[in-house]
Formats: sequence, structure tokens, C-alpha cells
Amino acid sequence: GAVVSQHPSRVICKSGTSVKIECRSLDFQATTMFWYRQFPKQSLMLMATSNEGSKATYEQGVEKDKFLINHASLTLSTLTVTSAHPEDSSFYICSARDLQGRVNNSPLHFGNGTRLTVT
Amino acid sequence: GESVGLHLPTLSVQEGDNSIINCAYSNSASDYFIWYKQESGKGPQFIIDIRSNMDKRQGQRVTVLLNKTVKHLSLQIAATQPGDSAVYFCAEIPNAGNMLTFGGGTRLMVKP
Repeated sequence: GAVVSQHPSRVICKSGTSVKIECRSLDFQATTMFWYRQFPKQSLMLMATSNEGSKATYEQGVEKDKFLINHASLTLSTLTVTSAHPEDSSFYICSARDLQGRVNNSPLHFGNGTRLTVT
Repeated sequence: GESVGLHLPTLSVQEGDNSIINCAYSNSASDYFIWYKQESGKGPQFIIDIRSNMDKRQGQRVTVLLNKTVKHLSLQIAATQPGDSAVYFCAEIPNAGNMLTFGGGTRLMVKP
């Protein structure tokens, strides 16, 4: 079963509004979560690293004021796309670091992504 | 540098044949590698991993080969099935690092 739950799976919003995406680790604590963005037919691009109880670390070129990340608990990180524009339309994917490698001994588990469409 | 690609290449194979998907990585400090499968509209799914102290690892129907000399990784899928059709990504984590970097990906299409 899924070990990382991402919600919503799809969202359509109007330009100028904000959208919040949640990423939850199930049955394990994740001090570190990662947010990726994926455009059609392209690879996943790391946007930021979310650290529980501290500020997120953003990759070069990613606007921290536009993509707000909050990791207030050991099982939840949120990504808020503020004042969304059509160019923000993309597939956003989170992953959570599982230091004990509970599934497949893998240290990282991915959510099923959120398809954001800004009209 | 980071190995990031655009415009996924496609590998088309006949059902029952073996598939080989290749990946070149750029960071010689990477010591842990993972292959992921991504189906349309879903997140990446773990397939198999390998650490840099190994050059081969086998799973069920899949084998990963690592050539550190030329920084090359490959995924072999035996007896490819229609359900294997997806995009496959290699990913690397540098030594003592935390961040996963994805390669460009390859779309595998299995013809029945």
C-alpha cells in the first residue's frame, strides 16, 4: 500500500488564487520531504527540500515566496502555490525520506502527484 | 553537475523480449542509485537500487548494472510485458548526501 499520501490528486484553479498541496507520510516519520515539479515528457526537477521544524531549502531558480513550504509535523509537509498563473500548471510530486527503509529498503517514497491546472 | 534530460527518448520492444534501458550519471560522488518506474499520472515507483560498492544487482525480472568507470547505469527487464510500459528514470544520491537527482528518463513501449 501507499506509504506517502499526496492530496489533492488534481486541482483546477483560477489565475491569481493560491493552491495548497499536502504530502503525508503514513506509518513513518519523515524529518525530510522533497517537492518536485514535472512538465510533460520531462524528468522530475527538485524544487525544494522540506525540513521539519525549520525553513525549506530551495533549489536555484525556485521562488520561495511563490512556492511556500511548511513542514510543521513529522508526517506532513505542504506546498502552497501562491498567486498561481497558467505557467505554474504542472505535475507536482512529493517524496518523504524514510531512514529505516521500510518498503523495499528504499529510503525515499513518493506520493502519486498533484496535477495543477491554472486557468 | 546534474544529469537532467528533456524530451524523453522512447524504447519500443516486443512483448516477451528483453529490454535494456540506459542512464548516464554525472556526479562521480554519487554512491547510491535507484531505478524508478512512472506510469502516466502517477508518482515514481521504486524498482531496484544499487550501491556503488556493487556492479550488479538482481531482482525479480530486473537487473541493474553499474559501471562506475564510465558513470553508466542500466536496467534490464527480462521477458518484457505490456504492464512494463511506462517511463523509467534512474536517480542518484551523492555520498553522505540527502538529495535525489533524476536522470532524463526513457519511455518504454511494449508491443503485444
